Amino acid sequence: EVQLFESGGGLVQPGGSLRLSCTASGFIFYNYDMTWVRQPPGKGLEWVASISGNGEYTFYADSARGRFSISRDNSGNILYLNAYGLTAEDTAVYYCAAKQVGPSYYFESWGQGTLASVSS
Amino acid sequence: QAGLTQPPSVSKDLGQTATLTCTGSFSNVGNLGAAWLQQHQGHPPKLLSHRRNSRPSGISERFSTSRSGNTASLTITGLQPEDEADYYCSAWDNSLRSWVFGGGTKLTVL
Repeated sequence: EVQLFESGGGLVQPGGSLRLSCTASGFIFYNYDMTWVRQPPGKGLEWVASISGNGEYTFYADSARGRFSISRDNSGNILYLNAYGLTAEDTAVYYCAAKQVGPSYYFESWGQGTLASVSS
Repeated sequence: QAGLTQPPSVSKDLGQTATLTCTGSFSNVGNLGAAWLQQHQGHPPKLLSHRRNSRPSGISERFSTSRSGNTASLTITGLQPEDEADYYCSAWDNSLRSWVFGGGTKLTVL
């Protein structure tokens, strides 16, 4: 069974940073491209960043480029998101999601999410 | 990145059929199709269906999808109370090299 578990959220001051983690189990991690999606309170889903199965390729939303960095450790089955220069607009539940490597265009599995709150 | 367009809300009576729409462009929905996600309050999204009306194991046959041009549709037949949720569409945009989501449709079952 595919399982994804996010951690690392919490309260951070404006201008601060966070490192989110997503621990994967139940599937061959490097066979899946991984993505971070966030959801501000009471709002819809917003794509943040994606990374290919082998970690060679990364993609960022305009709102994340230059401030966020996605990476993965395939030996430990962990996905990361480093976020810097945080503002109140970054307050959201952050989900990690998995899709199979190759021409599949949907997220098979989602984690439970971790809440990051940016406030003074 | 431009998103996909979904109606904010749809209301239907118990037992009726609801059809939710998701409009994009040729570079996303029109070319590669859309996936549909269901999200109940306080829970993470769950995959309902993806391209070619494929449903993951455990998803009811009452959920079906179709596409016409740049618009994808999710049809839910025999509405049940547990179908009340937010529904999102998602797609990969080949031109923008990015994922795009719809704003979500809140389905109310009366």
